[in-house]
Amino acid sequence: AQKVTQAQTEISVVEKEDVTLDCVYETRDTTYYLFWYKQPPSGELVFLIRRNSFDEQNEISGRYSWNFQKSTSSFNFTITASQVVDSAVYFCALSEATSGGSYIPTFGRGTSLIVHP
Amino acid sequence: NAGVTQTPKFRVLKTGQSMTLLCAQDMNHEYMYWYRQDPGMGLRLIHYSVGEGTTAKGEVPDGYNVSRLKKQNFLLGLESAAPSQTSVYFCASKRASTGELFFGEGSRLTVL
Repeated sequence: AQKVTQAQTEISVVEKEDVTLDCVYETRDTTYYLFWYKQPPSGELVFLIRRNSFDEQNEISGRYSWNFQKSTSSFNFTITASQVVDSAVYFCALSEATSGGSYIPTFGRGTSLIVHP
Repeated sequence: NAGVTQTPKFRVLKTGQSMTLLCAQDMNHEYMYWYRQDPGMGLRLIHYSVGEGTTAKGEVPDGYNVSRLKKQNFLLGLESAAPSQTSVYFCASKRASTGELFFGEGSRLTVL
């Protein structure tokens, strides 16, 4: 079973639409970290946000916002008024402690967002 | 500000050949990782290292070996390449204080 599920393989929107990318995770740990990364067509991977399991406050950064809900094990990402430059593959990731105490990131399969002009 | 540098960026191998991918980071990070990215599969962890001289297996370690002789370098080796190892390989290092991963630009490997 996947620890991080991004059920939406591809989303296509028209510029200025709002779009939400879903992320559901699975863990038995009480301490863990969640991340979102962006991979634009150029291929590099760019960090967007980190959340720890004790901080359920929603986060807003410009047109980006994140909704972390432990009750549903979800960490969803919303882009408001999408732009063509938002076209990318977005990855959600979960970091849990290993038996040795290291936190190892596990990635979802990604959601490809296409924003049409 | 180099960050994480991977070499080579592209390589074509024949089945059975060997090669080494080099990852170098200049941020003094302890943790380093090798992932492979395949269509529809996301990023899967091959091996990782929590410090100089230490390595550990990730989700898909078979067919790969790694070494971390120096803190700044993390090498990924393929002893006998197979077509199933055709992929894009990403190296990353982690800033311990935030957990943020810094990725290299990726290395595209094709095994014929």
